[in-house]
Amino acid sequence: QQQVKQSPQSLIVQKGGISIINCAYENTAFDYFPWYQQFPGKGPALLIAIRPDVSEKKEGRFTISFNKSAKQFSLHIMDSQPGDSATYFCAARGVSKNTGANSKLTFGKGITLSVRP
Amino acid sequence: EAQVTQNPRYLITVTGKKLTVTCSQNMNHEYMSWYRQDPGLGLRQIYYSMNVEVTDKGDVPEGYKVSRKEKRNFPLILESPSPNQTSLYFCASSFMGFTLSYNEQFFGPGTRLTVL
Repeated sequence: QQQVKQSPQSLIVQKGGISIINCAYENTAFDYFPWYQQFPGKGPALLIAIRPDVSEKKEGRFTISFNKSAKQFSLHIMDSQPGDSATYFCAARGVSKNTGANSKLTFGKGITLSVRP
Repeated sequence: EAQVTQNPRYLITVTGKKLTVTCSQNMNHEYMSWYRQDPGLGLRQIYYSMNVEVTDKGDVPEGYKVSRKEKRNFPLILESPSPNQTSLYFCASSFMGFTLSYNEQFFGPGTRLTVL
């Protein structure tokens, strides 16, 4: 059972355009929703994150929009640049069924973004 | 420099030959985790540890073992590797998340394992 689903599977955007990546989750107990960015040959790195009591968070060109009732959140990249070309993972943090601690991150499958010059 | 290190970065081995991938972090993080990344499947958690001597299974633990004898180290052990364990492996660490504060997971550079 996939608890975090990303769409689309891949995305091609022209330089200067807006990239939008969507994520849907099932578990209402998730309490933290990060986006990770991964460049080829590197490990993922945190890009931006949001808590469910906030509807939007903006950091530079990157914005997370969060819709708690729809159980969806999305990443918007404004003025997309070729340097933004990477794989993007959404994730959600939940409670470990064995320990009860908020520590387990469940990742989506990732999407490859290509920004054309 | 705050970092997570993994060794080796690349490994080609044969079926059944025991191997260990090391992971070390210098940020005094309580939480450490191993993931495997496969095309079309994203990142899947193998095992995690919330502190020394505290480990638990993730989503795909079969065929793997871990240990946490020291806070900074979290090795991944494949007792009898098989070809379906060919993958890209990442170690990650973070502070513990008992509150709603952000818990950024820092990832290592990855280990590409091929089992023939």
